[in-house]
Amino acid sequence: KAGVTQTPRYLIKTRGQQVTLSCSPISGHRSVSWYQQTPGQGLQFLFEYFSETQRNKGNFPGRFSGRQFSNSRSEMNVSTLELGDSALYLCASSLGTGKREQYFGPGTRLTVT
Amino acid sequence: DQQVKQNSPSLSVQEGRISILNCDYTNSMFDYFLWYKKYPAEGPTFLISISSIKDKNEDGRFTVFLNKSAKHLSLHIVPSQPGDSAVYFCAARVNQAGTALIFGKGTTLSVSS
Repeated sequence: KAGVTQTPRYLIKTRGQQVTLSCSPISGHRSVSWYQQTPGQGLQFLFEYFSETQRNKGNFPGRFSGRQFSNSRSEMNVSTLELGDSALYLCASSLGTGKREQYFGPGTRLTVT
Repeated sequence: DQQVKQNSPSLSVQEGRISILNCDYTNSMFDYFLWYKKYPAEGPTFLISISSIKDKNEDGRFTVFLNKSAKHLSLHIVPSQPGDSAVYFCAARVNQAGTALIFGKGTTLSVSS
């Protein structure tokens, strides 16, 4: 089975721009979660989608948004980028029910200049 | 306020010996805990999990212990191998409605041969 894939792997953007990151979950997985990893804050939960509905949301400003499509693929969007948004953005998928383990993709490294 | 804490940023162990990684949590409502391993430039890899109704779970060289009264869990790796050198994250499920996780800040394990 193919793992979680994320595109692009690396991205450089300028302050004030917006960015969209994409995640394709493991086949059959219906839940997708997004996390931000920074050296100072570690891994922080952004949001979780299950069957196209946001099921949980972390403590991030409204500039961070996401969505999930009917094929379980997910995108997250960050508008009006700030320097502090530079981070590794990780996507994780799971079955969504029953087994609770999440499986992570390799991440998208976003650099805001 | 950090709900999942890994108070030791690093741990060094000799090959063949036991590695013990510790994790404390503050929210008594957490019902599911997981350990992940992360290598640089990769997403976290699921290692082992434990439900709050159990106090021990084993999988090969990895054993997780849960002490609910102390709000403490630990990961034991026996015997430790150089390939185990990585950052280890402890995580707790956010709520029973989903699979989103709250992570500790990680412990870097170095196993020397």
